[in-house]
Amino acid sequence: DTAVSQTPKYLVTQMGNDKSIKCEQNLGHDTMYWYKQDSKKFLKIMFSYNNKELIINETVPNRFSPKSPDKAHLNLHINSLELGDSAVYFCASSQDLTRSNNEQFFGPGTRLTVL
Amino acid sequence: GENVEQHPSTLSVQEGDSAVIKCTYSDSASNYFPWYKQELGKGPQLIIDIRSNVGEKKDQRIAVTLNKTAKHFSLHITETQPEDSAVYFCAAIFTGGGNKLTFGTGTQLKVEL
Repeated sequence: DTAVSQTPKYLVTQMGNDKSIKCEQNLGHDTMYWYKQDSKKFLKIMFSYNNKELIINETVPNRFSPKSPDKAHLNLHINSLELGDSAVYFCASSQDLTRSNNEQFFGPGTRLTVL
Repeated sequence: GENVEQHPSTLSVQEGDSAVIKCTYSDSASNYFPWYKQELGKGPQLIIDIRSNVGEKKDQRIAVTLNKTAKHFSLHITETQPEDSAVYFCAAIFTGGGNKLTFGTGTQLKVEL
């Protein structure tokens, strides 16, 4: 299936731990994103990468470090996890950054619970 | 600043009725307005979008209208069915680069039998 996939789907961990979420898209897109959805379902962008280059860093704490080894992958590493990091994290991709190709396709999400 | 307001936050309709969700945006230079449907436990799914050079777009039971002067856009679902029950988000891409989607706060639509 052509899609945006994320692993793991669920992640439960203790405060202070370090964890990673992986994202892969096989749509041939150049641009990938991370969004955070809080408990009130509010969706907000965190990062975007275009062809492995950071484009947007939306004032996210530096405990969050995205890494794009190639344009099909955008992983999210989180250090020193805090209770407030509990949320659902969505990866998305779009063909590129041009105006005519900016439809974004979302992955299934990773529900992170910090205890 | 960049802002998208969405109303109502919850909407309950009878099966077969129409549902309308409205959004307003702050940046008059915004050019792309998608609508997403999010079912429980799943990621947002793009259902329809409209660009600033078009006033209306329709896809079967779903339509979106855009009023650039008033800076608002609406989602219309006709002949609603129980499977339309979900959270719906409007969004906009504001100028400034990066293709960043700014989302509305979501509408929980419930279609009752």
